[in-house]
Amino acid sequence: GQNIDQPTEMTATEGAIVQINCTYQTSGFNGLFWYQQHAGEAPTFLSYNVLDGLEEKGRFSSFLSRSKGYSYLLLKELQMKDSASYLCAVRDSNYQLIWGAGTKLIIKP
Amino acid sequence: IAGITQAPTSQILAAGRRMTLRCTQDMRHNAMYWYRQDLGLGLRLIHYSNTAGTTGKGEVPDGYSVSRANTDDFPLTLASAVPSQTSVYFCASSGGTSSGANVLTFGAGSRLTVL
Repeated sequence: GQNIDQPTEMTATEGAIVQINCTYQTSGFNGLFWYQQHAGEAPTFLSYNVLDGLEEKGRFSSFLSRSKGYSYLLLKELQMKDSASYLCAVRDSNYQLIWGAGTKLIIKP
Repeated sequence: IAGITQAPTSQILAAGRRMTLRCTQDMRHNAMYWYRQDLGLGLRLIHYSNTAGTTGKGEVPDGYSVSRANTDDFPLTLASAVPSQTSVYFCASSGGTSSGANVLTFGAGSRLTVL
């Protein structure tokens, strides 16, 4: 079956750096996405990786290793507003998105 | 403001009743999707439509139906609601179905409680 694994919850301190990992086993691979979802709100797009390596976008970076079935989202200079759930999703060979359950990130002052 | 509008925002429904969740987008996106989100689970695809006039089943289609009469609207109908359909429902759209990032834009969600 297809599976996306990511930690259920993480805690970090304001101003620090946090890395949220995502491992996947899917039928084919056509890209990996990270979305941010604040409580009670809709998911919003953060990043997209289709080739191995690091994609940097401001305070957020996303890394992909296709051979290892692994990605991480790196958040730098954490702010209180970064408290949210972070969803990892993989597009499979049928171009359907398979979603992880999300990682709830709690930022403490 | 361009985006996706869902209605209602929330609804409490008696089991056995029929319910339609509405979804309208103004971005002229070809593809539209309905997901449900439950605690501890990833978003699960209910139904999708790659273009107006076509629909397809997702991972959890049973008990739900959709229609896509035009580009903008993609309603989701629960013919006879059951308590297991209590969930938050998200409508989403994207500009295409194949290559490229094909980012999803989500509506604000509809919280449905079936008693």
